Order: sequence, then structure tokens, then C-alpha cells
Amino acid sequence: DAKTTQPPSMDCAEGRAANLPCNHSTISGNEYVYWYRQIHSQGPQYIIHGLKNNETNEMASLIITEDRKSSTLILPHATLRDTAVYYCIVRALYNQGGKLIFGQGTELSVKP
Amino acid sequence: DARVTQTPRDKVTEMGQEVTMRCQPILGHNTVFWYRQTMKQGLELLAYFRNRAPLDDSGMPKDRFSAEMPDATLATLKIQPSEPRDSAVYFCASGPPGTDYGYTFGSGTRLTVV
Repeated sequence: DAKTTQPPSMDCAEGRAANLPCNHSTISGNEYVYWYRQIHSQGPQYIIHGLKNNETNEMASLIITEDRKSSTLILPHATLRDTAVYYCIVRALYNQGGKLIFGQGTELSVKP
Repeated sequence: DARVTQTPRDKVTEMGQEVTMRCQPILGHNTVFWYRQTMKQGLELLAYFRNRAPLDDSGMPKDRFSAEMPDATLATLKIQPSEPRDSAVYFCASGPPGTDYGYTFGSGTRLTVV
């Protein structure tokens, strides 16, 4: 399983964009980049995933570099409720098991 | 919204007792995961199933832990005998068949072994 590297913590001002980086230099061609978050004492929540192209949904945008060795999760207008631990995970395709292994994540604090 | 249901929500038990945690995956989901979370180790994958068959249980201590799916609507995780070091939050997650969409997690079972 490819490993990811994330900063342990970040701060963001409320209303500003939060840009969370992730390095996954050993990612292979059959692996997606997934982002989950975990708000204190809750189960992890799926945010977004991508293979090669940038992706956007109602929660966030995912920017993947052309060489696929790093990515950035963007929360366009962070609110206090976005304070959580954000996990970047490299996951194999469904038909190759789809195992999800969590690292330590980035603890994002959104401040008023 | 469809949910993964875990019971019990909280469990306090004495060392040496058997503990059973249950998970009801989202209807139609065929992949089920069990995770354990502690402050020290973070989220650890214990085991996961697809179509009720175990795909990987290498993260599970085999001497005391067992995971099963008696049917497609129920996954169980048993610890026998329980030990204080098993105290953790145990999460179940499920995923839909044939897609690479994200998995849905339950709210967890907080286990305290005294």
C-alpha cells in the first residue's frame, strides 16, 4: 500500500480557503487518492476521491498533480464545523481489494 | 441518508469477559470493514469482508479476536477473553459493490475493559 505524508496540523481562518497538502510519491497506476475527515468522536466521513483528474463536489475540491505524486484538498470557505482530522489515503481499485489504510492525518483547526 | 448502524454504542466490561460488537451495513453494500481507534495507534484496520467472505484479517489478533458475517445484513466482531488493552473505539464501515465510491462509517462502539 502506498504511503502518504501530511502535515500534522494546520490552522485556517473562518471563511477562508483551507488547502490541505498530501504527498504520495509511491502511488501506483491502480490506486486512487481518497480524502476522509473525522470530527471529534465521530466515525470518519468520506469527502472526495480522484484518480488523475481534478475533482469537485459539494464539500471540497481535489487537485492532483500531473505526476500524481501529490494532491491538495481545498475547502473553499472553511467554517468552524470543518475543524477535524483530515486523512489523505491511497487506495487500490475496488476490483483489487479496495483496502483503506489510514495514516495520522492533518488536524485542521478553523478559527473565528 | 442511509447509515451504518453499530451496537452497542458504549460497552464497559470486566477483563476476561466476552464482548460482541455488531454492525448493520447499508443495504446492498457488499464490502464491510472493521477498524479500531486508539489515541496511540490511530485508526487500525482489523479485518474486511467482501460478499461475506474475509478478504484480509491480518490486522486482527487471532488468539482473541474473531470477525464474521452470518448474513449480508450483519457483521460481528468478538473478543474473547477481553483485556484492558482492547479498550478503544471500534468502527465498522461498508461500501457499495463494483464501484470506487467512498465507504460509509458507523458511529462506533466505545469499549472499555476494566
